[in-house]
Amino acid sequence: EVQLVESGGGLVKPGGSLRLSCGASGFNFSIYSMTWVRQAPGKGLEWVSTIGSRPHYIYYADSVKGRFTISRDNSRNSVYLQMNSLRVEDTAVYYCARGRGVDWGQGTLVTVSS
Amino acid sequence: DIVMTQSPLSLPVTPGEPASISCRSSQSLFDSDDGNTYVDWYLQKPGQSPQLLIYTLSYRASGVPDRFSGSGSGTHFTLKISRVEAEDVGLYYCMQRLDFPWTFGQGTKVEIK
Repeated sequence: EVQLVESGGGLVKPGGSLRLSCGASGFNFSIYSMTWVRQAPGKGLEWVSTIGSRPHYIYYADSVKGRFTISRDNSRNSVYLQMNSLRVEDTAVYYCARGRGVDWGQGTLVTVSS
Repeated sequence: DIVMTQSPLSLPVTPGEPASISCRSSQSLFDSDDGNTYVDWYLQKPGQSPQLLIYTLSYRASGVPDRFSGSGSGTHFTLKISRVEAEDVGLYYCMQRLDFPWTFGQGTKVEIK
């Protein structure tokens, strides 16, 4: 059974940092791209970032470029999202997803507030 | 960026009746290199994470009932539910992954009449 478990969310002040983690199991992690998608409270889905399997490519949404960094550790079956210079508008549930969105985790809530 | 526009945004449905959701993209999602059209459909049930229903225009994801189908071409796409069931309520999103940044439609809320 495929499982994706996000962690690392919490309350942080504007300008602060957080590192999200997503642990994967139940599939060959090293051959899949991984993606972060977020959902602000009461809003729709917003793609954040995708990292290739090796990784041979990385992409970011303009809204997070230069502030967020995606990475992965295939030996630990994990993908990460380092979030710096956080803004109030980054408040959202952050989901990690496998490949083209085949499977999603349960999400972790990030709240940016003073 | 490719803009995805869904309609309607709210869809009251009657169990047992068909339903459809439209999604339009600001540019064609057809990839002439491989012949695929890169639009996917997701359902987010209340309080849950999104789940993939349809990928690459018309392929049902694993475990998705065959009452769900995807169709369309170019810039106009449709998700159809042949006979709505009570468990189908939630928010439906189309998403394009032809190009980065991947972009979602605004979502269509399906609820039982």
